[in-house]
Amino acid sequence: GAVVSQHPSWVICKSGTSVKIECRSLDFQATTMFWYRQFPKQSLMLMATSNEGSKATYEQGVEKDKFLINHASLTLSTLTVTSAHPEDSSFYICSALIRVGEQYFGPGTRLTVT
Amino acid sequence: AQKVTQAQTEISVVEKEDVTLDCVYETRDTTYYLFWYKQPPSGELVFLIRRNSFDEQNEISGRYSWNFQKSTSSFNFTITASQVVDSAVYFCALSEWSQGNLIFGKGTKLSVKP
Repeated sequence: GAVVSQHPSWVICKSGTSVKIECRSLDFQATTMFWYRQFPKQSLMLMATSNEGSKATYEQGVEKDKFLINHASLTLSTLTVTSAHPEDSSFYICSALIRVGEQYFGPGTRLTVT
Repeated sequence: AQKVTQAQTEISVVEKEDVTLDCVYETRDTTYYLFWYKQPPSGELVFLIRRNSFDEQNEISGRYSWNFQKSTSSFNFTITASQVVDSAVYFCALSEWSQGNLIFGKGTKLSVKP
């Protein structure tokens, strides 16, 4: 199957700083990538849909100014958590869409804000 | 509205027992996909199966089997002769043709004790 990577796999940052998470499709191109967030012992919730060359679409309740998404190429989408706070600590997972019904997940990034 | 319900929050079995994880979904789309993923403690999602809405055939893969019934909007997952390595959180998910992203159930934590 296709491979999606995420970097970093884990990160610890101080409150008030910004963190960038990269999501790459390694062996295919993806016009659309999705960003999910998973709090401890909870399910995965869609945060935003990232489309190459256009603005991301955010789900209700997700602050677009806080979670900046850039999808500058067909193989890379980035999520930047700006001015991170402890409540942003979570597991962030991206997926890259080949076609409806077929997407591949990255291994996830565990963010801890102290 | 689209929704996935996994009513079982946690299940504990003894090794070699059979166990069924329930999944009920709601959607207005006539074309959709259903998935099961396994999430071990590392967090990475492991793809288990995808079914499209036009294929109601049950599937068996080794000790795993899936029962898809459109009449009851259910897509249940059975593990036969469970093993300790099956311990994980299992997510059922829905992808509608009109959306592309996955809608996850809350997950079922399966503990298999030796």
